[in-house]
Amino acid sequence: GAVVSQHPSWVICKSGTSVKIECRSLDFQATTMFWYRQFPKQSLMLMATSNEGSKATYEQGVEKDKFLINHASLTLSTLTVTSAHPEDSSFYICSARPPEGTSRQPQHFGDGTRLSIL
Amino acid sequence: QKEVEQNSGPLSVPEGAIASLNCTYSDRVSQSFFWYRQYSGKSPELIMSIYSNGDKEDGRFTAQLNKASQYVSLLIRDSQPSDSATYLCAGGGGSNYKLTFGKGTLLTVNP
Repeated sequence: GAVVSQHPSWVICKSGTSVKIECRSLDFQATTMFWYRQFPKQSLMLMATSNEGSKATYEQGVEKDKFLINHASLTLSTLTVTSAHPEDSSFYICSARPPEGTSRQPQHFGDGTRLSIL
Repeated sequence: QKEVEQNSGPLSVPEGAIASLNCTYSDRVSQSFFWYRQYSGKSPELIMSIYSNGDKEDGRFTAQLNKASQYVSLLIRDSQPSDSATYLCAGGGGSNYKLTFGKGTLLTVNP
């Protein structure tokens, strides 16, 4: 089945550090990827839609200068949390849209990245 | 009104019982619906999708969609302790491929 790899799975860093999270579709080309954030005991909140070769589309209330998204190839999207602070600590999950007609799933999810800012 | 709402829970059922999970949605949500299971600390995994009115069965799971009432549900028969997880209802997957998730229902199946 389709696999989406997300790295790192867990990161702890000091306040003010920038953190990059990678999301790779391993066996299909993904023109569209999504980034979600999930706080404890809450649902997945879509942060942005990452489009290959163009700018990401951010959801209302998400700071584009804070959460930088790059989708430079059909298999890789990155999310960089710039100057991270403790309130940015969360579970970040990426997903990739499979090519039309190739999957019964609308999106394939990565395993998530647990980000803890001290 | 939020686009996808799950107001029930947490839900606790004994092993072997039927667990019933519910979700309502607004007009702005695309007419495709998905139920995901999420274990603590893990990413969600798709267990059922439903696109048209009526019931859809897959093993112990049955999804029901009522477009007139804007209501979608998931029944889990013969519940097992391994079914204990958070169940997320999601709508969308339309032309923009976006999914809108409900807040989830925590299900605990007691042995």
